[in-house]
Amino acid sequence: QVQLVESGGGVVHPGRSLRLSCAASGFTFSRSAMHWVRQAPGKGLEWVAVISDDGSNKYYADSVKGRFTMSRDNSKNTVHLQMNSLRAEDTAVYYCARVRGSGLFDYWGQGTLVTVSS
Amino acid sequence: EIVMTQSPATLSVSPGERATLSCRASQSVSSNLAWYQQKPGQAPRLLIYGASTRATGIAARFSGSGSGTEFTLSISSLQSEDFAVYYCQQYNNWPPWTFGQGTKVEIK
Repeated sequence: QVQLVESGGGVVHPGRSLRLSCAASGFTFSRSAMHWVRQAPGKGLEWVAVISDDGSNKYYADSVKGRFTMSRDNSKNTVHLQMNSLRAEDTAVYYCARVRGSGLFDYWGQGTLVTVSS
Repeated sequence: EIVMTQSPATLSVSPGERATLSCRASQSVSSNLAWYQQKPGQAPRLLIYGASTRATGIAARFSGSGSGTEFTLSISSLQSEDFAVYYCQQYNNWPPWTFGQGTKVEIK
């Protein structure tokens, strides 16, 4: 069965960096684009970033563009989100999600909490 | 960017009653509209895609309708496990992929 397991969250000071990972299993990872979606405490869902199946194309939300970088390693069935220059407003649970078609999130991980606080 | 607006913010319903949730897009998204259910402390779960197709394993009491800019999620007879937050999401014009702000279905 499809499994997505995020890791790497934690508490970090404003301006610092953090790297999230998402380990995938149960499907042909190298054929799937992957996304990150976040949810601030008590708030709704916000799309963050996407990477194509071969890693050649990436898109980012305006709120993170220039600070976050998504990458993948198809040999290890893993995607990463490098988050730099973190701000308090980046505090959220970060989910990785598998996409079907043009943007249907059919499987989600359990999420990892990132807290940006001084 | 396409803005998705859900109404109402909170819906109070008695178990066994019908719930109707609305989602409006700021411009046409054709039928590229999905609904997700999220329970406290859990990840979202895909319910409906293509505006009206139930995802695998989703109970028949969940149904979706609409196209263009107006969409509806109906739950025909609310069960205790259906009390949750529901989000709509468009995947017609991207990036970005955008979600509504959510509708909380609570016990009346």
